[in-house]
Amino acid sequence: AQSVTQLDSQVPVFEEAPVELRCNYSSSVSVYLFWYVQYPNQGLQLLLKYLSGSTLVKGINGFEAEFNKSQTSFHLRKPSVHISDTAEYFCAVSGRGGKYGNKLVFGAGTILRVKS
Amino acid sequence: GAVVSQHPSRVICKSGTSVKIECRSLDFQATTMFWYRQFPKQSLMLMATSNEGSKATYEQGVEKDKFLINHASLTLSTLTVTSAHPEDSSFYICSARDENLNTEAFFGQGTRLTVV
Repeated sequence: AQSVTQLDSQVPVFEEAPVELRCNYSSSVSVYLFWYVQYPNQGLQLLLKYLSGSTLVKGINGFEAEFNKSQTSFHLRKPSVHISDTAEYFCAVSGRGGKYGNKLVFGAGTILRVKS
Repeated sequence: GAVVSQHPSRVICKSGTSVKIECRSLDFQATTMFWYRQFPKQSLMLMATSNEGSKATYEQGVEKDKFLINHASLTLSTLTVTSAHPEDSSFYICSARDENLNTEAFFGQGTRLTVV
């Protein structure tokens, strides 16, 4: 089974400042890792994913994340945030399918509040 | 990315009635669909996993007789909330995945259910 911990429930930041949203996971098998964004009363939009290969993953809207296997982390970063980035962000992990399972397990979410 | 359409986006129903929510994959075959429930200011809770043509697998604590899931085709899954009560009011989100391609799951826009 997998689990995800998002260490910060809310992250306030000023516009154009950098931001890091933290995510740690635990799993007994190899996993896929994801970051999703959710705007109020909407579904989830995939920001980026790590399946294999390069540990630095670039996604949409200028976000990137780095997979660190030794620290079991997948922190999300953006060098300069905009007001429009205000939303809730979910880190998620899944098994690699087959006998490893394919269910997405979500963290509790981090609300990013960008202030002007 | 692939598109998942969820309908309706909002529904209000009276206590004791049943409500059906549809989840359609528009441009891919959804061999697996997932149904989530999200309470205010909380993360997504997986309710059940359904594979096309098979009975859904429900997570622990989810009443299968109350939340009926049908996945009769590769592009459509439905969730029916039977004999709805106010405590069933929530945000329900579906996601769909093609296991043959082993890609990530794609999410619908969500359905806000209010039971009065």
